[in-house]
Amino acid sequence: GAGVSQSPSNKVTEKGKDVELRCDPISGHTALYWYRQSLGQGLEFLIYFQGNSAPDKSGLPSDRFSAERTGGSVSTLTIQRTQQEDSAVYLCASTRGLAFSSYEQYFGPGTRLTVT
Amino acid sequence: GEDVEQSLFLSVREGDSSVINCTYTDSSSTYLYWYKQEPGAGLQLLTYIFSNMDMKQDQRLTVLLNKKDKHLSLRIADTQTGDSAIYFCAETPGSSNTGKLIFGQGTTLQVKP
Repeated sequence: GAGVSQSPSNKVTEKGKDVELRCDPISGHTALYWYRQSLGQGLEFLIYFQGNSAPDKSGLPSDRFSAERTGGSVSTLTIQRTQQEDSAVYLCASTRGLAFSSYEQYFGPGTRLTVT
Repeated sequence: GEDVEQSLFLSVREGDSSVINCTYTDSSSTYLYWYKQEPGAGLQLLTYIFSNMDMKQDQRLTVLLNKKDKHLSLRIADTQTGDSAIYFCAETPGSSNTGKLIFGQGTTLQVKP
């Protein structure tokens, strides 16, 4: 498809386990963002990638959260030792890059993470 | 700091106009956006306005920006039941060179037939 895809769509995990969430951006989009949507905190920025580099990680809530991007395409968000407060919908967005206008971020459908 | 505030709920009758309001704190915001989220669906960009504009119209949507008061509004003319959704106001902070978005809490629009 032509849009941003994310997998899995739903993930239920036990507290203390590690999880990996995947994002496939639109082909050719060099900029990639992760956001988190939760009841208590609303929609929060987590991390920004330009190519494979992450110049802005300021939104990652703790060192249990990490992300990488390979080949300037797929990105993986990893949460180690999950806690119940990590339960949220994790959204990925991509855009052509800041050399172009940044106004059009295309969002994926999200991964709903439930930590029991 | 960067903060975006919205009222949480708005209810209108089908055919009426809806006005959703948003305030923000960052006077150096570059772009301001309105996103729509329908149940079970991702975020869809509805419209955006550059910070040096006062108004933008796009079919049934009108965006008004009062930069002095840091107030943004979205007017939906002839509101339809299909417009029922959560509407998020967002900004790109002027201090950021990453294009990241700062979102408001979202306004749930309920359209009654």
